[in-house]
Amino acid sequence: DVKVTQSSRYLVKRTGEKVFLECVQDMDHENMFWYRQDPGLGLRLIYFSYDVKMKEKGDIPEGYSVSREKKERFSLILESASTNQTSMYLCASSSQWEGNTEAFFGQGTRLTVV
Amino acid sequence: AQTVTQSQPEMSVQEAETVTLSCTYDTSESDYYLFWYKQPPSRQMILVIRQEAYKQQNATENRFSVNFQKAAKSFSLKISDSQLGDAAMYFCAYRGRGNTPLVFGKGTRLSVIA
Repeated sequence: DVKVTQSSRYLVKRTGEKVFLECVQDMDHENMFWYRQDPGLGLRLIYFSYDVKMKEKGDIPEGYSVSREKKERFSLILESASTNQTSMYLCASSSQWEGNTEAFFGQGTRLTVV
Repeated sequence: AQTVTQSQPEMSVQEAETVTLSCTYDTSESDYYLFWYKQPPSRQMILVIRQEAYKQQNATENRFSVNFQKAAKSFSLKISDSQLGDAAMYFCAYRGRGNTPLVFGKGTRLSVIA
């Protein structure tokens, strides 16, 4: 089975802290994605990566950065956490899009910034 | 930019009955892919069904089927013989050609009444 693992299911951080959300996939997928999920807003793309050391901004990159030093790992970084970054964060991976290739998701990290 | 609209924030259905979830999208592309994902309370996103735009035949997966109307840019999901385990958030998603990320709608929360 494809597995996408996010390091934490729940996380509580203080305003101003630097926060790392880690995501690891075990299927040798080239593509990895970070989405943010908020009630009534659906899933919004923060950043994505098509290859190691490569990143592309999504729809809402402000306040976030990413790192992809190894193919299997994609980290989301909140440089200085703010309360408006309290949300659910979903990581996903896929092989290079061919036809109707699906994306596989982790179980999400619910982050609370206090 | 492509957009995906799910106009029903919440739906409910009696167990064993049929329910249809609506999805419309906006695109200028002629070749693309459409997906329905399910997110149960466990938060694990699961692919329900997918459709290639170049295929006229509607996709089916057991109790799940779609009504794909390309000209109308409509992609509804029909769930037959609804079961308690179908209760979840359902997200419609679009992907264009090439290595582009999924674009999601805001989701529909489905309740199943015993």
